[in-house]
Amino acid sequence: ETGVTQTPRHLVMGMTNKKSLKCEQHLGHNAMYWYKQSAKKPLELMFVYSLEERVENNSVPSRFSPECPNSSHLFLHLHTLQPEDSALYLCASSQYPRTSGRDEQFFGPGTRLTVL
Amino acid sequence: AQTVTQSQPEMSVQEAETVTLSCTYDTSESDYYLFWYKQPPSRQMILVIRQEAYKQQNATENRFSVNFQKAAKSFSLKISDSQLGDAAMYFCAYRSADSGNTPLVFGKGTRLSVIA
Repeated sequence: ETGVTQTPRHLVMGMTNKKSLKCEQHLGHNAMYWYKQSAKKPLELMFVYSLEERVENNSVPSRFSPECPNSSHLFLHLHTLQPEDSALYLCASSQYPRTSGRDEQFFGPGTRLTVL
Repeated sequence: AQTVTQSQPEMSVQEAETVTLSCTYDTSESDYYLFWYKQPPSRQMILVIRQEAYKQQNATENRFSVNFQKAAKSFSLKISDSQLGDAAMYFCAYRSADSGNTPLVFGKGTRLSVIA
């Protein structure tokens, strides 16, 4: 595997279910991100982990719970979601600390989540 | 807070022709980075081109070039000799040049169709 991988690619869940999204990066990066992509809205940054510590949490509801056990893996645990949480969830990674902001983020293919 | 605006939700171009995608941004910072990301139907977002704000010369990457107008806070993407594989969502993004792990701020995207 190369780059950033995400599993599953598609997920359908009920509002009472508990599920987890997984992200794995094979690039030797040490910063990882979760984004939410909804139709006709900008990508919303949800969480940032740098050196396995959460450094940003953009007012995300507590029904989303991230976990970063090491620099290569990132999880997003989901519970009691709402239909408006249906979206594409993208994971990304980059190198931190950066000597400049030019370092790009590498994105995974995303998980298409549907909440019924 | 910085904002990024892409005023064209959809664009189309004939194969082999040239198309320009618009992006404007709002910031009070003088040093920053701008990016164009491409998200094909397969959904893996990839970096197309980046521009450092302190550089006056417009960035180019093969058939992709930008028109960076710092005073106007404009950052348009020009695609020359358009190909069918260029069909995708294109996102303009901004990042501060500070030394922290500042996140990318994305626009809503422009969907580009390429007509054979």
